[in-house]
Parts: sequence; C-alpha cells; structure tokens
Amino acid sequence: EAQVTQNPRYLITVTGKKLTVTCSQNMNHEYMSWYRQDPGLGLRQIYYSMNVEVTDKGDVPEGYKVSRKEKRNFPLILESPSPNQTSLYFCASSYALAGYNEQFFGPGTRLTVL
Amino acid sequence: AQSVTQLGSHVSVSEGALVLLRCNYSSSVPPYLFWYVQYPNQGLQLLLKYTSAATLVKGINGFEAEFKKSETSFHLTKPSAHMSDAAEYFCAVTQRGAGSYQLTFGKGTKLSVIP
Repeated sequence: EAQVTQNPRYLITVTGKKLTVTCSQNMNHEYMSWYRQDPGLGLRQIYYSMNVEVTDKGDVPEGYKVSRKEKRNFPLILESPSPNQTSLYFCASSYALAGYNEQFFGPGTRLTVL
Repeated sequence: AQSVTQLGSHVSVSEGALVLLRCNYSSSVPPYLFWYVQYPNQGLQLLLKYTSAATLVKGINGFEAEFKKSETSFHLTKPSAHMSDAAEYFCAVTQRGAGSYQLTFGKGTKLSVIP
C-alpha cells in the first residue's frame, strides 16, 4: 500500500530534550516536506526537500533541522524543543515534476513539549 | 507571494443541505489550487485540484469546485451534505513554474453536519 508513515504518533517530552520524528514514504517520491498545524493557523511549512541531500527552509524553520540521506526518509529533528513547538506535525511527499502534483500526507505526530 | 483566505472558520449545515466552503486566493500568476480534507485524528487527503484543464473540477465524495479567475475564487460545493462530511477542509495553492512545490494553506474551515 502506498503510504507515508510517521513515528511516533504521539510524544510528550520536556524542554531541551532532543527528539527526532521519523517520516518514510514508499512511493519513490522526490519531494518531501514537513508541516506543523496549529489551531486557527492552518498548516505551515517547516522544511522541504527536492531530493536526496537537497533541503531548504519553509516558512517556519526556526528550531528545527532536517536531513535527507535516503530518498524514502526525511526525519525532523528538534535539538532543543521548547513549549512553543507543541503542535501537530505532518510529513508529506509527492513527485517533483510539477507543482500540480498531489502531496500525500502522513497520519501526523502530536507533540507536546512541557 | 501567494496566499489563501478561507471565509468562515466554522460552517454548520443540516444533513441534505448544500455545502458551500469559500476560498479566495492571491497570486501574481494563475496558480494551481487544491482542496484537502482532514477527518478527525487523520492526515490530509486530496479532494480535488485545479490545474487549468477545466474550470469546474469534480472530486471525491461528490464534491466539486469552480475556478473563477475574475473573482480569484475556488469555492468548494456539495449539493447534499452527509454526516460523514463532517471534517476540516483546507484550500491550498502552489505557484506555476519549475521548482514551485510549496503548498500554501488557508487556515481551514471546520464543517459540522447537523442531523
């Protein structure tokens, strides 16, 4: 089954404790992206990757890191989480041929930083 | 810069009534437009998209949307609401052109369906 998977689905952590949220897709997509969803703000892009070893900032990159060492994986790293990073996070992927391609979303990771 | 405005953060309709969710975009060039739906505790799923092939676009679950360039709108409609349509709906836009893959989302409209 074609899908985007994220782990963990739920995470409660404390300020300053480094964490990684994994994202994997099995559709051989070139483009992958991370979004955060906050009430009343919709989804905002954090980082994206056009292909292996090619990443760039989205609209809200502060406090986050990403890497793209393999085509299928795109982990999101919070090196020193803060309470304002409490949010619902989504990973997405698509073919990178054109902007009209559908983005496929993972099920989301709900992060709480205390 | 592109942006999307969704009018109404919450919309309530009776079961069987018309669903109308509004979306207006701002873009320097004609964009690609999308509607995504998010059911409770799930990720986003594509409902439909506009890529200039036809101004009236039909999607899944009986939804459709019409691109109106003069009004910079892409409103989502469904003739008869069903209880299963209760969800949050997001309008999104990307720019045309190579390398333009960033989806810019509206703030979302939560649809409630009253029995």
